[in-house]
Amino acid sequence: NAGVTQTPKFRVLKTGQSMTLLCAQDMNHEYMYWYRQDPGMGLRLIHYSVGEGTTAKGEVPDGYNVSRLKKQNFLLGLESAAPSQTSVYFCASSWPSAGVVEETQYFGPGTRLLVL
Amino acid sequence: AQSVTQLDSQVPVFEEAPVELRCNYSSSVSVYLFWYVQYPNQGLQLLLKYLSGSTLVESINGFEAEFNKSQTSFHLRKPSVHISDTAEYFCAVSEVPPGNQFYFGTGTSLTVIP
Repeated sequence: NAGVTQTPKFRVLKTGQSMTLLCAQDMNHEYMYWYRQDPGMGLRLIHYSVGEGTTAKGEVPDGYNVSRLKKQNFLLGLESAAPSQTSVYFCASSWPSAGVVEETQYFGPGTRLLVL
Repeated sequence: AQSVTQLDSQVPVFEEAPVELRCNYSSSVSVYLFWYVQYPNQGLQLLLKYLSGSTLVESINGFEAEFNKSQTSFHLRKPSVHISDTAEYFCAVSEVPPGNQFYFGTGTSLTVIP
């Protein structure tokens, strides 16, 4: 099991450029999340998904879009990057299906994004 | 929405000394509680969790946390820290029955001094 993987690991963008971050999990989890981590602010939820084909806004959704076309993948898009989006982005997944109670979130290694 | 407070942003402690990292949450409903650890340049890993039952939960590497419902706290303790415990520690809360969101504190940076 690879767990939760994220690509790319690092990226430098210029203001106004677009990019997509990919998160993949092989644990058959229903729920997937995108967070950003900034110094002194902990983790803040950007968007999340409770199943294939569904997405919902979190605490800081502005400037981001997401898609969950396949259960194992959760994509985070930046349509027009801004310096304020410089951050470390973490993907997480949780809640295996078939009624198993498992509240733990499993995190990917993170993507470090710098927007110039 | 929930809020999670970690009052100590940085905690320096000497090796083999005890440590307590504080976590308080705001909630009028039942919650699940978690401590995650983040080592430098890595993602978060679950350290321990409280779902139900005994209010004292332990991790495999000697940490423990106690759920105190009356004080809405879930402080993390270790009687003797090691250099390898140097990391960022995050407290998190999820509602019962399971909600869609986790709420994280701002983190406590634990530095163990040789």
